[in-house]
Amino acid sequence: GAGVSQSPRYKVAKRGQDVALRCDPISGHVSLFWYQQALGQGPEFLTYFQNEAQLDKSGLPSDRFFAERPEGSVSTLKIQRTQQEDSAVYLCASSSGGRGETQYFGPGTRLLVL
Amino acid sequence: AQSVAQPEDQVNVAEGNPLTVKCTYSVSGNPYLFWYVQYPNRGLQFLLKYITGDNLVKGSYGFEAEFNKSQTSFHLKKPSALVSDSALYFCASGVSGGYNKLIFGAGTRLAVHP
Repeated sequence: GAGVSQSPRYKVAKRGQDVALRCDPISGHVSLFWYQQALGQGPEFLTYFQNEAQLDKSGLPSDRFFAERPEGSVSTLKIQRTQQEDSAVYLCASSSGGRGETQYFGPGTRLLVL
Repeated sequence: AQSVAQPEDQVNVAEGNPLTVKCTYSVSGNPYLFWYVQYPNRGLQFLLKYITGDNLVKGSYGFEAEFNKSQTSFHLKKPSALVSDSALYFCASGVSGGYNKLIFGAGTRLAVHP
């Protein structure tokens, strides 16, 4: 079956622009995660959805970051008024839920803010 | 604070030799631990995980890892390295009470030389 897909794969934004990053999880997966991976570092947790409910957004770096998953499937991560420090790879992962279940990652969106 | 450490930025090994990529963790409660591999411009691919049970876990592509509770380690191993194993490897731990969100190490670059 299809894995996790993300779009766009690459995004260049001018500082101050708004961007929207899309994630299509594996069909039927109830859990969806967003991570941010800065250059040369490991991924860092941003936010978590169980179905359409955003249960943890403790990793979002500022109120410029907003995520939604309105129908419990596709998710969008939105960054308003982008800053240079937002440049990173944004990874989406999904799992079937439950403690210890494997998270399957998409290819990521590489965001460059100029 | 809960954390995962990968003490080596890079590991070099000759093709055909055994390889070890080190990981130590500091988490509350019973840990569940993962290894992922990342190839250039691609997302994270799941290799193996430890949840409970046998301390030696076998995973994809001939990799295995040993959970050692007394040393709080989860080192990744392979008996005979291939050039195609060259990639970036991440160790991760689930966070207790954290909705399955993962904490990642900084990554170790494995270089297998012919």
